[in-house]
Amino acid sequence: EPEVTQTPSHQVTQMGQEVILRCVPISNHLYFYWYRQILGQKVEFLVSFYNNEISEKSEIFDDQFSVERPDGSNFTLKIRSTKLEDSAMYFCASTSGQGSYEQYFGPGTRLTVT
Amino acid sequence: AQTVTQSQPEMSVQEAETVTLSCTYDTSESDYYLFWYKQPPSRQMILVIRQEAYKQQNATENRFSVNFQKAAKSFSLKISDSQLGDAAMYFCAYRSLYSGAGSYQLTFGKGTKLSVIP
Repeated sequence: EPEVTQTPSHQVTQMGQEVILRCVPISNHLYFYWYRQILGQKVEFLVSFYNNEISEKSEIFDDQFSVERPDGSNFTLKIRSTKLEDSAMYFCASTSGQGSYEQYFGPGTRLTVT
Repeated sequence: AQTVTQSQPEMSVQEAETVTLSCTYDTSESDYYLFWYKQPPSRQMILVIRQEAYKQQNATENRFSVNFQKAAKSFSLKISDSQLGDAAMYFCAYRSLYSGAGSYQLTFGKGTKLSVIP
């Protein structure tokens, strides 16, 4: 069964460093998402991406964040200068289209900023 | 903006018994989707069940069923014959039916941690 994959599973970085989190969505899916879950809290929407551009972003997704789909398979989230409060699980998700309401989630990347 | 509230941070159930997890939401929209996602210790989010707001019939998936009360904006999940593998965080989520921005993102509640006692 197709699945969303994410790498790395765990990333440790120092405050102020740049990190890139990688996701490979399901191959025929068209809509891509990043969500964040701070430990013990709810899952929060960061950004959605469709047709090679951002379709919507939350207030969390400030200028420090960017997303890219550099080729036909990868979908990346970049944090330019990490802060302690960026420590969280980051989930990538994808869905095939408007009529298909199920979002398929990846296993997540645990980001630890020290 | 839509909000989703799960008022039970933790619940426990005896194996083979039935448990109900609560969820309420607030929206001004008339058509939308509601979901329950399961997040086991492995942390991957897995869809358990979905409900289209325009359908009056409550959704059922094997041991999982929902009680959808549209007027009350309530969407509870019932797990029958609970199994040890049901132990997880359960998140209620909302999705608009239409999105002018083409986004269709999910809005989640804070989750309920379910423990299953052998």
